Amino acid sequence: EVQLVESGGGLVQPGGSLRLSCAASGFTFSSYEMNWVRQAPGKGLEWVSYISSSGSTIYYADSVKGRFTISRDNAKNSLYLQMNSLRAEDTAVYYCARSSAATMGIFDYWGQGTLVTVSS
Amino acid sequence: EIVMTQSPATLSVSPGERATLSCRASQSVSSNLAWYQQKPGQAPRLLIYGASTRATGIPARFSGSGSGTEFTLTISSLQSEDFAVYYCQQYNNWPSGITFGPGTKVDIK
Repeated sequence: EVQLVESGGGLVQPGGSLRLSCAASGFTFSSYEMNWVRQAPGKGLEWVSYISSSGSTIYYADSVKGRFTISRDNAKNSLYLQMNSLRAEDTAVYYCARSSAATMGIFDYWGQGTLVTVSS
Repeated sequence: EIVMTQSPATLSVSPGERATLSCRASQSVSSNLAWYQQKPGQAPRLLIYGASTRATGIPARFSGSGSGTEFTLTISSLQSEDFAVYYCQQYNNWPSGITFGPGTKVDIK
């Protein structure tokens, strides 16, 4: 069974940093592209970042470019999101989402999410 | 950036009735369109991709149609477990530039 379990969320002050983790199991993690998608409270979904299976190709949404860094450790079956210079508008549930191997661009499995709250 | 819009924002439907949800793209996305279902407190679940292909395990009462800029998700006979928010997502510019619609909430009439 595919499982994605996020951790690392919490309350942080504006300008602060936080590192999210996503532990993957039930599939060959190193063969799949991965993503972070977020959802502000009561709002819709926003794609945040993408990383290729090897980690060699990375993309970010304009809203987080220069502040967030996605990475992965295939030996540990883990995905990460380092978030710096956090702003109030970064407050959201952050989901780890697997890209479908068969169809580029869709997310076939999601974690349960971890809540990040940026507030003083 | 391709902007996605969805209508209506809220759809009130009685169990057993048909629900029709619309999604529009600001420019053509070909058939690179997916639909997700999200229930309160849960992660989104993939329903449809390629505009009309059901994902694994999705019941046949869910169907998708459309191409270019206009898309429709139809739920043929609403079950109690189908009351949720539905999002469309375009992936024409994968891997960068993925965008979601604002969602349609389907609630009980």
